[in-house]
Amino acid sequence: NAGVTQTPKFRILKIGQSMTLQCTQDMNHNYMYWYRQDPGMGLKLIYYSVGAGITDKGEVPNGYNVSRSTTEDFPLRLELAAPSQTSVYFCASSSQGRREQYFGPGTRLTVT
Amino acid sequence: RKEVEQDPGPFNVPEGATVAFNCTYSNSASQSFFWYRQDCRKEPKLLMSVYSSGNEDGRFTAQLNRASQYISLLIRDSKLSDSATYLCVVSGGGADGLTFGKGTHLIIQP
Repeated sequence: NAGVTQTPKFRILKIGQSMTLQCTQDMNHNYMYWYRQDPGMGLKLIYYSVGAGITDKGEVPNGYNVSRSTTEDFPLRLELAAPSQTSVYFCASSSQGRREQYFGPGTRLTVT
Repeated sequence: RKEVEQDPGPFNVPEGATVAFNCTYSNSASQSFFWYRQDCRKEPKLLMSVYSSGNEDGRFTAQLNRASQYISLLIRDSKLSDSATYLCVVSGGGADGLTFGKGTHLIIQP
């Protein structure tokens, strides 16, 4: 049982490039989330999904897009990368809202 | 008032000591409460849920005070491996989900 997996672990992007961060969970959780965490700061919610085909914006969605075509996968797309998107990105899942969330190991992204 | 407030620390504590931290939350409708642990450059991991009657898991005890809207975490007989950042987490955030505090940094010294 792998839980929540994320790829890649690290990535360096040039300004203006695009990329997709992958997230997969094998716990059959309906809810999935994307957070970013800047150094010394708390987690900020980017996007979330309550089930396949349903996504919605969190606190800091600008510059990102998501899709949820299956229960297992919740990729995060960065379009036109900017230095302000340098951060650690965590994907999480939970069986229901307001329940404990399980996190993937994170993707460390640097935009230069 | 911030949604979930924690003293960022750091708390420097000798090995074997007892340490306690609190967090306060602003949403009186919150129903679920958790403590997470985050090691440096790692993902947050669930440490324990917090129940209304208080609960214990080994050396860790969590308490909830709904009237005053605070949650506490007590660590007894602290170990070097307890060094980490402890995140207070409360339901009622966006996405029908959770709101995370910024964390309290704990350093256990030999």
